[in-house]
Amino acid sequence: GENVEQHPSTLSVQEGDSAVIKCTYSDSASNYFPWYKQELGKRPQLIIDIRSNVGEKKDQRIAVTLNKTAKHFSLHITETQPEDSAVYFCAAMTTSGTYKYIFGTGTRLKVLA
Amino acid sequence: ETGVTQTPRHLVMGMTNKKSLKCEQHLGHNAMYWYKQSAKKPLELMFVYNFKEQTENNSVPSRFSPECPNSSHLFLHLHTLQPEDSALYLCASSQEGLNTEAFFGQGTRLTVV
Repeated sequence: GENVEQHPSTLSVQEGDSAVIKCTYSDSASNYFPWYKQELGKRPQLIIDIRSNVGEKKDQRIAVTLNKTAKHFSLHITETQPEDSAVYFCAAMTTSGTYKYIFGTGTRLKVLA
Repeated sequence: ETGVTQTPRHLVMGMTNKKSLKCEQHLGHNAMYWYKQSAKKPLELMFVYNFKEQTENNSVPSRFSPECPNSSHLFLHLHTLQPEDSALYLCASSQEGLNTEAFFGQGTRLTVV
């Protein structure tokens, strides 16, 4: 079945450094890749997304890259701040049969002040 | 508010009880989802409904019974649950076919005793 792998599971960085989270998906029919941030006790919320017709998208300190050939996509956070500390989930929207979002296992990011 | 509301926020139930979780969305979406979030399997897809029809049952035990009376409401009926079913149950909605994000509710924290 469809699967999304996410690495690393935990990531600690110093404030001001960059953080990179990587995901791999299995369904070649996937064409939409959102990233969600979940703070403690709160719902997951979209922070950035990318569609299969582009290779890179940037929004201030956050960027996402997509390599459809390799079925890889990555989240890049630059100039990290303590408020970036949260769990981040990647997802792939698959259209094989049912439209659905398959999520990675999450990355717990800690930004150390 | 993201337009997806879940009730109750917290629920404690015995293994012989019957309870229901409710999800309501005011975003005009045509797809709704139930996800289970636990430490072992974050954001595990359970059910998908498109236009009120169930299109995905991700091998969920029959003690979980979904119901979607219309495109705005989604229920998860629970009966004879096990302690390992304790988790955060998240509802989400999206507009199928537009390759856009899924919006999550705040979840129901379920504890089975």
